[in-house]
Amino acid sequence: GAVVSQHPSWVICKSGTSVKIECRSLDFQATTMFWYRQFPKQSLMLMATSNEGSKATYEQGVEKDKFLINHASLTLSTLTVTSAHPEDSSFYICSANRAGELFFGEGSRLTVL
Amino acid sequence: AQSVAQPEDQVNVAEGNPLTVKCTYSVSGNPYLFWYVQYPNRGLQFLLKYITGDNLVKGSYGFEAEFNKSQTSFHLKKPSALVSDSALYFCAVGAGTALIFGKGTTLSVSS
Repeated sequence: GAVVSQHPSWVICKSGTSVKIECRSLDFQATTMFWYRQFPKQSLMLMATSNEGSKATYEQGVEKDKFLINHASLTLSTLTVTSAHPEDSSFYICSANRAGELFFGEGSRLTVL
Repeated sequence: AQSVAQPEDQVNVAEGNPLTVKCTYSVSGNPYLFWYVQYPNRGLQFLLKYITGDNLVKGSYGFEAEFNKSQTSFHLKKPSALVSDSALYFCAVGAGTALIFGKGTTLSVSS
């Protein structure tokens, strides 16, 4: 069964609104989670590393004020896309490390109208 | 810097035939290599990994991959393809932290 859960799977929002995506590790604690973004027919691009109890580490070119990451507990990381615009429409995937192996969530498709 | 390359955007194979999806890597030090599969609008599913040991790694769903240090390659293979193997395949390099992914190869298996 799934070891990493993402919610929601699909979300449609209006331009200018904010959207929160949750990533949960099931039955294990994850001090570190990773957020990826995937454009259609393209690879996964690492956006940021989410660290429990501290600030996230963002990859070059990723706006930290645009993509807010909170890792408030050992089983939950959230990605909030603030003031979303159509160009933010994408597939967002999180992953967590369990015993040295990375597990991925099912992804969240965001469509900004 | 670590990187992986998947030279083929698409691989087409008939059901029952062997398949190969190519991957080459560039790392300093010992590589940790992975293969993942992605179905439409889904997350990634782990297929197999190479950390150390035997160069031939066997994974899920009958897939295997061969680590070739001299050619810096980690090609994914399966002796007999199934239509259900049609999906997007990613090669990745990393070490228990964030992975660096190749651009992906779409595998299409025809019946």
